[in-house]
Amino acid sequence: EVQLLESGGGLVQPGGSLRLSCAASGFTFSSYAMSWVRQAPGKGLEWVSAISGSGGSTYYADSVKGRFTISRDNSKNTLYLQMNSLRAEDTAVYYCAKLVVVAATDGWYFDLWGRGTLVTVSS
Amino acid sequence: AIQLTQSPSSLSASVGDRVTITCRASQGISSALAWYQQKPGKAPKLLIYDASSLESGVPSRFSGSGSGTDFTLTISSLQPEDFATYYCQQFNSYPQTFGQGTKVEIK
Repeated sequence: EVQLLESGGGLVQPGGSLRLSCAASGFTFSSYAMSWVRQAPGKGLEWVSAISGSGGSTYYADSVKGRFTISRDNSKNTLYLQMNSLRAEDTAVYYCAKLVVVAATDGWYFDLWGRGTLVTVSS
Repeated sequence: AIQLTQSPSSLSASVGDRVTITCRASQGISSALAWYQQKPGKAPKLLIYDASSLESGVPSRFSGSGSGTDFTLTISSLQPEDFATYYCQQFNSYPQTFGQGTKVEIK
């Protein structure tokens, strides 16, 4: 079965750190770019970060640049998001998503999503 | 960044109704638009890509149209399982952005 399963969320104090993981199965993980998308409570979707299939290229939203680091281990079929200097506004459900990269625009959309993991930043 | 504005923000409809949701981009994005459905407590699900291409496994009552700045998602005959929030997303220009969502509720 094709699926993504996130883990690592929880309660963390402002300024703290957390590492999220996303285990992929049912497809050739290394062949696909991957991404993190978040959703604050009661709010809409916000793209956070993306990484190429090889891991050689990474992309970040301005809101997390310099604080979050995306990485992947293709031998373990796992995607990661290292989150440092966390703020209250980072509180959200974080979704792992598989990307379809569109050659004509170098853009992407998301064709497979995990169930999400909740990150709460609060003292 | 390109802004996407969905309208309406919410709507009430009955089973069997035809429902149309609009997504307007702040600048032209050709046909680089996707639509997602999200049910409460669940992950989003891809419905439409390239503005009008139906994702595999998605019922044919869902359809998308438009290009440039104006796009629509249409549900031809609303079913009980279609009550959810719908989001558009552009992938023409970095960074990819989402609309604010349209909640479809039971009338």
